Amino acid sequence: QVQLQESGPGLVRPSGTLSLTCAVSGLSINNNNWWSWVRQSPEKGLEWIGEIYHTGGTHYNPSLKSRVTISLDNFRSQFSLKLTSVTAADTAIYYCAKNGAWCLESWGRGTQVTVSS
Amino acid sequence: SVLTQSPGTLSFSPGERATLSCRTSQSVGNNYLAWYQQKPGRAPRLLIFGASTRATGIPDRFSGSRSGADFTLTINRLEPEDFAVYYCQQYGTSPMYTFGQGTRLEIK
Repeated sequence: QVQLQESGPGLVRPSGTLSLTCAVSGLSINNNNWWSWVRQSPEKGLEWIGEIYHTGGTHYNPSLKSRVTISLDNFRSQFSLKLTSVTAADTAIYYCAKNGAWCLESWGRGTQVTVSS
Repeated sequence: SVLTQSPGTLSFSPGERATLSCRTSQSVGNNYLAWYQQKPGRAPRLLIFGASTRATGIPDRFSGSRSGADFTLTINRLEPEDFAVYYCQQYGTSPMYTFGQGTRLEIK
C-alpha cells in the first residue's frame, strides 16, 4: 500500500518561496502514475495545484501556473512543490496525492504552511 | 466548471439513509466524478470514483449514482463514523481536478 509523507517549512515569509517534498513509499514512483499536490484553506476549500508524471511531464492549475513548479526525483522516490511570490492567500494545508482513475486515490497526511512575517 | 454541493449541512440519526447532491455546471464525460470523505484533522479519503465505483475497502453502504448533471452519494444505515464532510470532485481538462465546497453530515 502506497504511503505519502509531506515535509517542509511550516512558515514562509511573504514574497518568499514555498518548498515542500512528498516522500513516496510502498510503490515505485516510476510506476505509470501521476502524482499531485492539493491544498486546502477555509477560504478556498480544496484546490488542485498540479501534477507530475514519472517521466517528468506536468500539468498545472491555470490559476497558479505562473508561480508553480513540480519536480520529481526518481532516485529518492519523492516529488516536490515550489510556489513562488507567496502571500497570505497561500496559507493552507498542503497535501500530496497519488492519482487514480480520474481521482486522487491516496493522500498524505498534509502539512500546514503559514505565510507570515 | 463549477461543482455545487447542496445542502451545506445535513442532519441525520445513525441508522438512517443520507443522500448528498453534487451538480456540475458542465457536462462530465465518462462519469469522471469522485466522492471523498474528510474527518477533522485528516486528509480526504476516496470513497467513490467513476461516479459509482467504490474505492478499495469502502463499505457497500456507500453508493454513487448519476442523473444527467446531478450526481448523488447515498449512505445507507448511517454509522457513527460516517459523520464527516463529503466532497465531490470532477476530472476535466484545465484544471484537471476541481472540487465542490463540501457537505457536512452531522448527527441529529
